[in-house]
Amino acid sequence: AQSVTQLGSHVSVSEGALVLLRCNYSSSVPPYLFWYVQYPNQGLQLLLKYTTGATLVKGINGFEAEFKKSETSFHLTKPSAHMSDAAEYFCAVSFMDSNYQLIWGAGTKLIIKP
Amino acid sequence: DAGVTQSPTHLIKTRGQHVTLRCSPISGHKSVSWYQQVLGQGPQFIFQYYEKEERGRGNFPDRFSARQFPNYSSELNVNALLLGDSALYLCASSPTTGSGNTIYFGEGSWLTVV
Repeated sequence: AQSVTQLGSHVSVSEGALVLLRCNYSSSVPPYLFWYVQYPNQGLQLLLKYTTGATLVKGINGFEAEFKKSETSFHLTKPSAHMSDAAEYFCAVSFMDSNYQLIWGAGTKLIIKP
Repeated sequence: DAGVTQSPTHLIKTRGQHVTLRCSPISGHKSVSWYQQVLGQGPQFIFQYYEKEERGRGNFPDRFSARQFPNYSSELNVNALLLGDSALYLCASSPTTGSGNTIYFGEGSWLTVV
């Protein structure tokens, strides 16, 4: 069965430090990959997505992610964390045969320490 | 331009009651999806509608139903509410169907069942 795993329900980094949020998927068909961010009491906002082409994808707010097929991963990174990055981050996957639905990870809450 | 709008934003219902949640997609978007997000978890796909037809259904009981109107707005109906239906209900829209499409989320409707 197709699934998405986000390693770490909480990740804590210092302001200015590297942010790394991990996402792995399982699938036998090529995936479309997404990262969304959710601020408290708000809906979900797209950070970036991979469909085809270049495997390194740049998104909003300085985030980027790299699709690594051999590792079935799509980890999210940002070189320098800001206090405003504190939020919950969700990795999601869809497939051509997924009946159009997104399959979501459980989310990682990013905590920024001053 | 207005984003995806949902109403009501918050509501409290009693077990056994019925609830209707409403969603207006971004202008020009013909596809609407509904997701349930329980606190601390990722969203779970409920339905997708495109051009007023159901295109996808998640693993939810028949108590959940939805429809899309000619103006592409949508309603999610839940009958015989259970305590476990308490969640954030998210509506999302996209221009068309297709697994690689970006979907845009509303702020959600918080449903509490007591």
